[in-house]
Amino acid sequence: AQTVTQSQPEMSVQEAETVTLSCTYDTSENNYYLFWYKQPPSRQMILVIRQEAYKQQNATENRFSVNFQKAAKSFSLKISDSQLGDTAMYFCAFSYSQGAQKLVFGQGTRLTINP
Amino acid sequence: DTGVSQNPRHKITKRGQNVTFRCDPISEHNRLYWYRQTLGQGPEFLTYFQNEAQLEKSRLLSDRFSAERPKGSFSTLEIQRTEQGDSAMYLCASSLAGSYNSPLHFGNGTRLTVT
Repeated sequence: AQTVTQSQPEMSVQEAETVTLSCTYDTSENNYYLFWYKQPPSRQMILVIRQEAYKQQNATENRFSVNFQKAAKSFSLKISDSQLGDTAMYFCAFSYSQGAQKLVFGQGTRLTINP
Repeated sequence: DTGVSQNPRHKITKRGQNVTFRCDPISEHNRLYWYRQTLGQGPEFLTYFQNEAQLEKSRLLSDRFSAERPKGSFSTLEIQRTEQGDSAMYLCASSLAGSYNSPLHFGNGTRLTVT
């Protein structure tokens, strides 16, 4: 079975700093997708960024980027120039490349951006 | 695009009672998912539909749980004879099948408290 592990339950940084959230996963599949979702206090889960396993290039979305290490099964999220609005729970998630987007989530990292 | 809508936002019930939640997906989305999120954990997959067909159910979905999507639009999740362990946030999400680039869009969830 696939598992996703986030080893940092909580993190806290100052506004404008860069922060990296860690995620490791375990799978025997070769083709899959990885995601980072953000869940602010309002509760709605929002997709931050996604990575296709067959792509070597790391995905980027404005201030958000990932470091995808397929051999190490590692998928970290870097947030540059952090903003107060980045305060949220962040979940790393995995899904197969075929079929429905049945996501397997990690336990989450609570990120707090301090003014 | 009005987003995924879930009702009610909160539900408090006594152990042994039945409860029903409703999810209205994004109108053009033909896939609909139910997830359960307990406090401090990531969401766990329960079941998903493509149109009106329920294509997969998790082992987490005991016989007391039933989900329907009768006309391929809104969905209901019913829990019979609720137990305290059913207390959780129940999240609904939708996506567009046939386009693997279609990410999941989540609703705000229904928080269930069983007393």
